[in-house]
Amino acid sequence: GQQLNQSPQSMFIQEGEDVSMNCTSSSIFNTWLWYKQDPGEGPVLLIALYKAGELTSNGRLTAQFGITRKDSFLNISASIPSDVGIYFCAGHLQTGANNLFFGTGTRLTVIP
Amino acid sequence: GEEVAQTPKHLVRGEGQKAKLYCAPIKGHSYVFWYQQVLKNEFKFLISFQNENVFDETGMPKERFSAKCLPNSPCSLEIQATKLEDSAVYFCASSQSYQPQHFGDGTRLSIL
Repeated sequence: GQQLNQSPQSMFIQEGEDVSMNCTSSSIFNTWLWYKQDPGEGPVLLIALYKAGELTSNGRLTAQFGITRKDSFLNISASIPSDVGIYFCAGHLQTGANNLFFGTGTRLTVIP
Repeated sequence: GEEVAQTPKHLVRGEGQKAKLYCAPIKGHSYVFWYQQVLKNEFKFLISFQNENVFDETGMPKERFSAKCLPNSPCSLEIQATKLEDSAVYFCASSQSYQPQHFGDGTRLSIL
């Protein structure tokens, strides 16, 4: 079953606003990944995190690997219309299994 | 190639028929993964391969689902005697060992 709780489920924001979403789990993760999925397409990798406490940026996106290794957040600054989509957190469990566990997604709508 | 290629993009089958999906991983990637995305965007891991060997099949329904990755051929996921509940988008992903997975655009399977 689902190992990751992602929130919020959906967001409606004005263009130019900042966005924050997060994932939490009762399990420890070795890696955290953030993906974006557009309609009819596969998830596209945005940011990968490998160490507890790591803070990584990719343009207007910033993500952090929580100290407890059980959570991660993604921030998007100065949102633009093309940020619309569904954002997923995903990760590899500490158990060493190499398949990804996914969050339930955050659907972002940006109002021009 | 530089991206994961999945075919066909859409597949429609009558209940009870067979369905076969294909995936060409990124050249040089030794791991291939299959995921099923159902309603509410939930991703379910099915199976992974390391080259042509099954690496983890803990998510595979035992009875009707099978998968292969043969040398010099696209990987395949086959569903025998399809059921309505098999309707979903099936994603293939590939990676180097424990590196981020890169996804194809999926095959939408509709069972009528």
